[in-house]
Amino acid sequence: GAGVSQSPSNKVTEKGKDVELRCDPISGHTALYWYRQRLGQGLEFLIYFQGNSAPDKSGLPSDRFSAERTGESVSTLTIQRTQQEDSAVYLCASSSQGWTEAFFGQGTRLTVV
Amino acid sequence: GENVEQHPSTLSVQEGDSAVIKCTYSDSASNYFPWYKQELGKRPQLIIDIRSNVGEKKDQRIAVTLNKTAKHFSLHITETQPEDSAVYFCAAIRPYGNKLVFGAGTILRVKS
Repeated sequence: GAGVSQSPSNKVTEKGKDVELRCDPISGHTALYWYRQRLGQGLEFLIYFQGNSAPDKSGLPSDRFSAERTGESVSTLTIQRTQQEDSAVYLCASSSQGWTEAFFGQGTRLTVV
Repeated sequence: GENVEQHPSTLSVQEGDSAVIKCTYSDSASNYFPWYKQELGKRPQLIIDIRSNVGEKKDQRIAVTLNKTAKHFSLHITETQPEDSAVYFCAAIRPYGNKLVFGAGTILRVKS
């Protein structure tokens, strides 16, 4: 596709359920980021993938959060046993080499009820 | 690791006035400094960027300046318009496999 695509656009889940969020980066982009943005807040770094290097997981807030990326393609962010404080927009971004422009997806709005 | 601080957190200006947002970074090896604009309910989008081999870059009403010695860079918006109202994020990155680090953001309100 022409841009970064995220799915679903919106997700409402019950507290305690697991959710999977998907990110399709721009083809050929080796760097992929996940950010969390709570309402009216900034971009909270979660995890960073760069090529075949070990991911930088330093931003994951708890062991309920995990992410995978297969090669330089799709990434999935999984949140287990969701809590109400997990409600936020989850943004994915990709860039061609990591030190060039990062393009953001439209985000997944997660609401935990 | 890199740390980026951004000021002010909110900025209100009258339409037609200039707006300046400042960021400082900690890692002297950082060499790429983008600025993103995020309108309400939308994704962040790049509006201008600068690399460490230049001190200033302009694109119509927006400009970015970089002071490598002091490790700070600034976004300048002239002749502000209501459509400039948004959240602006600065960021910094060092080369070769390091992550992009964002500032906390500045809410810019342009009053007409």
